[in-house]
Amino acid sequence: QVTLKESGPALVKPTQTLTLTCTFSGFSLSTSGMRVSWIRQPPGKALEWLARIDWDDDKFYSTSLKTRLTISKDTSKNQVVLTMTNMDPVDTATYYCARDLVDGFDYWGQGTLVTVSS
Amino acid sequence: QSVLTQPPSASDTPGQTVTISCSGSSSNIGTNYVYWYQQLPGTAPKLLIYRNNQRPSGVPDRFSGSKSGTSASLAISGLRSEDEADYYCAAWDDSLSVWVFGGGTKLTVL
Repeated sequence: QVTLKESGPALVKPTQTLTLTCTFSGFSLSTSGMRVSWIRQPPGKALEWLARIDWDDDKFYSTSLKTRLTISKDTSKNQVVLTMTNMDPVDTATYYCARDLVDGFDYWGQGTLVTVSS
Repeated sequence: QSVLTQPPSASDTPGQTVTISCSGSSSNIGTNYVYWYQQLPGTAPKLLIYRNNQRPSGVPDRFSGSKSGTSASLAISGLRSEDEADYYCAAWDDSLSVWVFGGGTKLTVL
């Protein structure tokens, strides 16, 4: 059974760096074809894709946020980590991680709300 | 401003059929599969349609997807109150090498 769960701070200050961890089970990121993406959703707004990491360590980033994002994986721990630098109040959102296959984002975490405020 | 364009809202009465459109370009919908996600209030999105018109196990056949050129549609027949949700389309964009989403459509069952 596939599960994903996001963890990280609920509150960060402007200009700080956000570090989020996605801990998953039921699949391995060392298996060919496996990928994990991060997606966020500001309150009352649409979904926005942020980044993806593949089983072979290929990485892809949102065009508008690529200078601020870093995605990495720890296959032994079944974790994917996303860091976002220079946080701003407009980055307040629920952050989701999801398993990302050719068949879509088939499993999602419950999401974690991150508020950016001084 | 989302790369894929959806109507912000849709509505109809129970039992009717509603269609939600999603418009993109040659680098995303025109070239790649379209996916649809349903987001019930206060919950994470759920995969509803993959590869343009395939339903994951457990998704009722009242939900169907189609694609033509650079546009796609999600049809929901036999509308039920529990279908009230936000619906998002998504596709991979080959030019940007990113996933792109629509702005979402809020479905109201009157």
